[in-house]
Amino acid sequence: QVQLVQSGAEVKKPGASVKVSCKASGYTFTGYYMHWVRQAPGQGLQWMGEINPISGGTRYAQKLQGRVAMTRDTSASTVYMELSSLISEDTAVYFCARVHVGNSPIDYWGQGTLITVSS
Amino acid sequence: DIQMTQSPSALSASVGDRVTITCRASQSISKYLNWYQHKPGKAPKLLIYAASNLQSGVPSRFSGSGSGTDFTLTISSLQPEDSATYYCQQSYSGYTFGQGTKLEIK
Repeated sequence: QVQLVQSGAEVKKPGASVKVSCKASGYTFTGYYMHWVRQAPGQGLQWMGEINPISGGTRYAQKLQGRVAMTRDTSASTVYMELSSLISEDTAVYFCARVHVGNSPIDYWGQGTLITVSS
Repeated sequence: DIQMTQSPSALSASVGDRVTITCRASQSISKYLNWYQHKPGKAPKLLIYAASNLQSGVPSRFSGSGSGTDFTLTISSLQPEDSATYYCQQSYSGYTFGQGTKLEIK
C-alpha cells in the first residue's frame, strides 16, 4: 500500500534551517510528483511547492521563494524539504503529499511533521 | 497567484441536514478544483477532484459542482463523522487552498 513516512518533530531557533524527509513506498517513486503543504497552529493549509522526482525540477510558492528548497534521492525513494532563515511564523505541521501528474489532486499524504521555531 | 475564497468560514448544522460550502477563484480555473476534508491530528482526505468527481471510497452524500470561478461542495445528509474542516484547492496554476470551512455538528 502507498505510504509516505516523514521524519520526526523538531525544535529550531529563529534563523536556523530545518530539513524534513519523506520516504515513499508502495508505488513507483518516479511516477508521481511530491508536494509539500503546511498548517500553522489555528490556520489553514498552505501549499509550499512541488518537486518532479525524475528531473528534480521544482516549483515553489511565491511567498517562500528563496527560503525553501526541495530535493530528492531517487535511489532511496525519498524527498526532502529544507526551509531556511526560520521565523516563529514557520511553526507548523509540514506534510508531504503525492500528486500523479501536473494539475492532479493530492491523493496521498504523509503523517505530518511538527516543526517548532522558538528561542 | 490565484486566490481561493471559501464561504462560510464556519457553520453549524444538524444530522440529516443538507450543507453547502462555496468556493470562488480569483480567475477562471476551468474544472481544476478539488475538495478535501481535514480532521485534527490527521492528514487531509481527498473527497472530490476535478470539481465534480467523487474520489473512490468517499460516501455518495458528498458531491461537487461548478466550473470557471464558482464551485460548491454539498453534503446531502449530514452525518456525525462529517465534523471537520473542508478546504477547496485549485490545481490550475500552482496549487492554492481556500481558507477552510469549519463544520460543526449541532
